[in-house]
Amino acid sequence: GAVVSQHPSRVICKSGTSVKIECRSLDFQATTMFWYRQFPKQSLMLMATSNEGSKATYEQGVEKDKFLINHASLTLSTLTVTSAHPEDSSFYICSAPGQGDSPLHFGNGTRLTVT
Amino acid sequence: SQQGEEDPQALSIQEGENATMNCSYKTSINNLQWYRQNSGRGLVHLILIRSNEREKHSGRLRVTLDTSKKSSSLLITASRAADTASYFCATDSGNTPLVFGKGTRLSVIA
Repeated sequence: GAVVSQHPSRVICKSGTSVKIECRSLDFQATTMFWYRQFPKQSLMLMATSNEGSKATYEQGVEKDKFLINHASLTLSTLTVTSAHPEDSSFYICSAPGQGDSPLHFGNGTRLTVT
Repeated sequence: SQQGEEDPQALSIQEGENATMNCSYKTSINNLQWYRQNSGRGLVHLILIRSNEREKHSGRLRVTLDTSKKSSSLLITASRAADTASYFCATDSGNTPLVFGKGTRLSVIA
């Protein structure tokens, strides 16, 4: 079945540094990928839609200059959290859609802790 | 914006019992999906039910959909400790990304 690989699974960084999270579709091509953020015991909130070869579409309230998204190939999307602050600490999850109305395929998420 | 709202928020049952979770939504949908998330992990798709379907089964899972009430239920029969996880409904309205509900945290006690 379709597999989405996300790494790193955990990252701890100091305030002010940048962190890059990668999301790869391993055995299928993904022209679109979704990036979600999840706080403890909360639901997934869509941050942005990553589009291969074009600019990402950001949800209202998400700073595009802070959360940089690059989707340079059909199998890789990256999310860079720039100048991270403790309030950016969260669980970030990527996903890629299957064909038609088939379900989303999720990565295993990245736990970001900013100290 | 949040579309689905699950209830209960948390559910604790004994192994062998059935677990029922409900989801309500607000707008028209093409389909509704249920996902499972183990703690600190990504989501795993469980089942998809289309807007013209009323009930669907997959193993120990039974999903119902009532579009007139804009609600769905997920029933897990003969629960096991390994079913302990958070369960989310997600609605697909066709031209927008999936919108997830707040989830139900299920604890199955052995």
